[in-house]
Amino acid sequence: GQNIDQPTEMTATEGAIVQINCTYQTSGFNGLFWYQQHAGEAPTFLSYNVLDGLEEKGRFSSFLSRSKGYSYLLLKELQMKDSASYLCAVRDHQTGANNLFFGTGTRLTVIP
Amino acid sequence: EAQVTQNPRYLITVTGKKLTVTCSQNMNHEYMSWYRQDPGLGLRQIYYSMNVEVTDKGDVPEGYKVSRKEKRNFPLILESPSPNQTSLYFCASRGGQGVGEAFFGQGTRLTVV
Repeated sequence: GQNIDQPTEMTATEGAIVQINCTYQTSGFNGLFWYQQHAGEAPTFLSYNVLDGLEEKGRFSSFLSRSKGYSYLLLKELQMKDSASYLCAVRDHQTGANNLFFGTGTRLTVIP
Repeated sequence: EAQVTQNPRYLITVTGKKLTVTCSQNMNHEYMSWYRQDPGLGLRQIYYSMNVEVTDKGDVPEGYKVSRKEKRNFPLILESPSPNQTSLYFCASRGGQGVGEAFFGQGTRLTVV
């Protein structure tokens, strides 16, 4: 099975940096995704890691350590529009289908 | 424009009245799936399909059916809806072998009374 953990809520200040952590346990790890979801809307893709290390994409970066079962999403220069839920998802190839399994999400509130 | 389209966006229905939520994608993706999202539980997979006429159960399939007669369409069927199926539903599609990021539909908010 899969076990994906991330904090439920976080608050950060506009202009600051925030790090959202995700730990996972899965038997057929085949990549980790981060999605952003504004309330009532569809999740949208932010980043993808399959090898260890840091992937940078503008204000967003994501890090993966496969040996530790750990990832984080780093958001820099926070803006009010970054207030959203951030979903960590693990792709698992165990069934041959490469299904995506999601954590419960971290609700980030950016305050002025 | 690449997109996944779900209909309806909002639906209120009564217990036991069969309903279908449609999902269509224009990216020629082989892999499609349905999720439900509930507070505190996150996105949970209901059913997925790796290609036409190939479907399989996800983590929470009870009370749902799907079909994949064409590559672009993947409807979700609730034969006899119950109040515990009140939820926010998302359809998603991905490229071959499920590789690459998932593209999500706009969501369907279903209330069963």
